[in-house]
Amino acid sequence: SQKIEQNSEALNIQEGKTATLTCNYTNYSPAYLQWYRQDPGRGPVFLLLIRENEKEKRKERLKVTFDTTLKQSLFHITASQPADSATYLCALLNTGFQKLVFGTGTRLLVSP
Amino acid sequence: DTEVTQTPKHLVMGMTNKKSLKCEQHMGHRAMYWYKQKAKKPPELMFVYSYEKLSINESVPSRFSPECPNSSLLNLHLHALQPEDSALYLCASSQGTAIPKPYEQYFGPGTRLTVT
Repeated sequence: SQKIEQNSEALNIQEGKTATLTCNYTNYSPAYLQWYRQDPGRGPVFLLLIRENEKEKRKERLKVTFDTTLKQSLFHITASQPADSATYLCALLNTGFQKLVFGTGTRLLVSP
Repeated sequence: DTEVTQTPKHLVMGMTNKKSLKCEQHMGHRAMYWYKQKAKKPPELMFVYSYEKLSINESVPSRFSPECPNSSLLNLHLHALQPEDSALYLCASSQGTAIPKPYEQYFGPGTRLTVT
């Protein structure tokens, strides 16, 4: 069956450290992978997109990697801040029609 | 304006009621989406409209009826819902849906629906 799994436990880190979140998928062949941030009671907000032929993408303090052999994406936030505390969702787009399928989400807590 | 608005913010309805959720965007996007999100779960796609035509229905029960009156508006009509339909209903839009450009989606704040 198709699955998109992220760390089910909340990730607690100290301010200033690098947070690394994992997204693993099975029985998908995504052409693209997106990362979104969701705050409680709010809709997701788009952060980054990476294509299957890209190994790494960066935007300010954010970095995403995409390994289609391992079927895994890693999402890094460097110099983390308490304001980065939120749930982070990976989402896959297969080739063909753009149906976005979300992973289970990881809650990140950055303490001062 | 990069905002997707949704009304109402909260809705409580009985199982025999008929109500509608509304979504609006003024970004010129040609694709609009409805998602359902239960607590501590990811959003699940319900419907996709592309150029005001229904493109995807994810086998959603007929008690949910979507409507796209024009390119800026998306409605979700609700009738005879069940308590298990209580959830956060999210609307989203994107510039398009066609490959090869994978457009990001812009989400509204959602409508928190409670069915009693």
